[in-house]
Amino acid sequence: GEDVEQSLFLSVREGDSSVINCTYTDSSSTYLYWYKQEPGAGLQLLTYIFSNMDMKQDQRLTVLLNKKDKHLSLRIADTQTGDSAIYFCAESITPSNTGKLIFGQGTTLQVKP
Amino acid sequence: ETGVTQSPTHLIKTRGQQVTLRCSSQSGHNTVSWYQQALGQGPQFIFQYYREEENGRGNFPPRFSGLQFPNYSSELNVNALELDDSALYLCASSLASSGSLETQYFGPGTRLLVL
Repeated sequence: GEDVEQSLFLSVREGDSSVINCTYTDSSSTYLYWYKQEPGAGLQLLTYIFSNMDMKQDQRLTVLLNKKDKHLSLRIADTQTGDSAIYFCAESITPSNTGKLIFGQGTTLQVKP
Repeated sequence: ETGVTQSPTHLIKTRGQQVTLRCSSQSGHNTVSWYQQALGQGPQFIFQYYREEENGRGNFPPRFSGLQFPNYSSELNVNALELDDSALYLCASSLASSGSLETQYFGPGTRLLVL
């Protein structure tokens, strides 16, 4: 079946690292994404990882994928107050990557000064 | 390069009415997907349009329908509105081509309130 789960809330201090976790159930996932949503706004694509990779780094962001455990994480280094937002992980399961994205319910990241 | 735009930004309707939401794709994109995001939830896939035809549908009733135009812009129509249709409606565009990553880029959304 298709299900993506995330923890609902994470609070960190400015300058610390944040780690947001996600689990998914569909082993045929091809791409996995992280999106950021600020209050009252749409979704901003942060990064993605292809299912045959286990790590991707993009500036302050590091994505780790454990395909055996179907576990995805997003690490934000040197977290800033501007990183406060809701973070969604999403999987795309169709071979051609068209079609639907399955989203988790989102993790609210609170960054304290 | 222009991003994905949606109109209107906010809308209030009453139960039983009909609503049309609009989306303009990012320049160069040929595929549009629509999502419903209820308060406190992740987005749920409604359907996708590619080359003016429906190309996949989520678990939404037939009163949710859509159109894609030759310029790849799109409409989402909802008939017989219910209170539970109150949500943020997100449009995402992407470029479908074989062998390439077809990342979906989202617009700012239309917030619909049904009273």
